[in-house]
Amino acid sequence: GQNIDQPTEMTATEGAIVQINCTYQTSGFNGLFWYQQHAGEAPTFLSYNVLDGLEEKGRFSSFLSRSKGYSYLLLKELQMKDSASYLCAVRDSNYQLIWGAGTKLIIKP
Amino acid sequence: ETGVTQTPRHLVMGMTNKKSLKCEQHLGHNAMYWYKQSAKKPLELMFVYNFKEQTENNSVPSRFSPECPNSSHLFLHLHTLQPEDSALYLCASSHDREGSPLHFGNGTRLTVT
Repeated sequence: GQNIDQPTEMTATEGAIVQINCTYQTSGFNGLFWYQQHAGEAPTFLSYNVLDGLEEKGRFSSFLSRSKGYSYLLLKELQMKDSASYLCAVRDSNYQLIWGAGTKLIIKP
Repeated sequence: ETGVTQTPRHLVMGMTNKKSLKCEQHLGHNAMYWYKQSAKKPLELMFVYNFKEQTENNSVPSRFSPECPNSSHLFLHLHTLQPEDSALYLCASSHDREGSPLHFGNGTRLTVT
């Protein structure tokens, strides 16, 4: 079966750095997405990786290793507004999106 | 402003009611989706429309009936639901089915009593 694993919950301190990991086992690979979802709101697109390496976008970076079936989302200079759930999703060989259950990130002052 | 608007935001219905969820996208996208989101579970894809044609129906019970009159509008008709159908129902759109990211609406929080 197809599976995406990510931690259920993480806690970090304002101003610090946090890394949210995502591992996947899918039938083929056509890209990996990270989304942010604040409570009661729509998931919003953060990043897309299809080749190995690091994609940087401001305070957020996303890394992909296709050989290891592994990605992480790195958040720097954490702010209180970064408290949200972070969803990892992979497109398989049929272009189906396989979703993880999300990681709830709690930021403390 | 997400570009994808869903109404209503909240809905409480009894098991014998009939109601409809509405989604409208203003992004010029060709694909539209219905997802179910339950607490601590991955998003569950329900239906996909590409250029107004239904391309996927992921074994969804017939008490959920989608309708896509044009590429900008999507409905989910609900009939004789069960309490376990209580969840957040998210509509999304994308430019295409292959690589474009999804743009989501804020969802309808459905409670079945």
